[in-house]
Amino acid sequence: QVDLVESGGGLVKPGGSLRLSCAASGFIFSDYYMAWIRQAPGKGLEWVSYIGSTGSPIHYADSVKGRFTMSRDNAKDSIYLEMNSLRAEDTAMYYCARARAAAFDPWGQGTLVTVSS
Amino acid sequence: DIVLTQSPESLAVSLGERATIRCTSSQSILFTSANKNYLTWYQQRPGQPPKLLIYSASSRESGVPDRFSGSGSGTDFTLTISSLQAEDVAVYYCQQYYSAPITFGQGTRLELK
Repeated sequence: QVDLVESGGGLVKPGGSLRLSCAASGFIFSDYYMAWIRQAPGKGLEWVSYIGSTGSPIHYADSVKGRFTMSRDNAKDSIYLEMNSLRAEDTAMYYCARARAAAFDPWGQGTLVTVSS
Repeated sequence: DIVLTQSPESLAVSLGERATIRCTSSQSILFTSANKNYLTWYQQRPGQPPKLLIYSASSRESGVPDRFSGSGSGTDFTLTISSLQAEDVAVYYCQQYYSAPITFGQGTRLELK
């Protein structure tokens, strides 16, 4: 059974940092691109970043470029999102997802990031 | 950036009736060399992550009921639920994977009438 479990969310002050993790199981992790997608409370979906199966390429949304860094560890079947210089508008549920057939499937349950003073 | 516009923003349909949601792209998302449209549909039930329904505009994901279908090409796409069931109450999103940045439509909220 394919499963993705995010962790690392929480409350952080504006300007602060947070590191999200996503642990994968049930599939050959190193064969797939992976992605982070976020959803602000009551809002729609926003793609954040994706990473190639071997660690490249990596692409970011303009809204996070220069502040967020995505990485992966194929030995640990995990991806990460290092988030710096956090802003109130980064408040969202952050989902990790596997990329396949030009789609994201499955998605994890998400981890909530709240940026507030 | 490719902008996806969904219509309507919300929709109320009776049980057993048809629901139709449209997604219009600001530019063509047809990969002519592969003859594939990189347009995907997701369902998001309350409190749940999105679930893949349709990929490549018209290919139904394994396990998705056949009342869900996708159609369209180029810039105009449609998700159809042929006979609405109670469990179909959700927000539906389209998404394009044709070019970065990957973008989503704003969502369509489907409710029971």
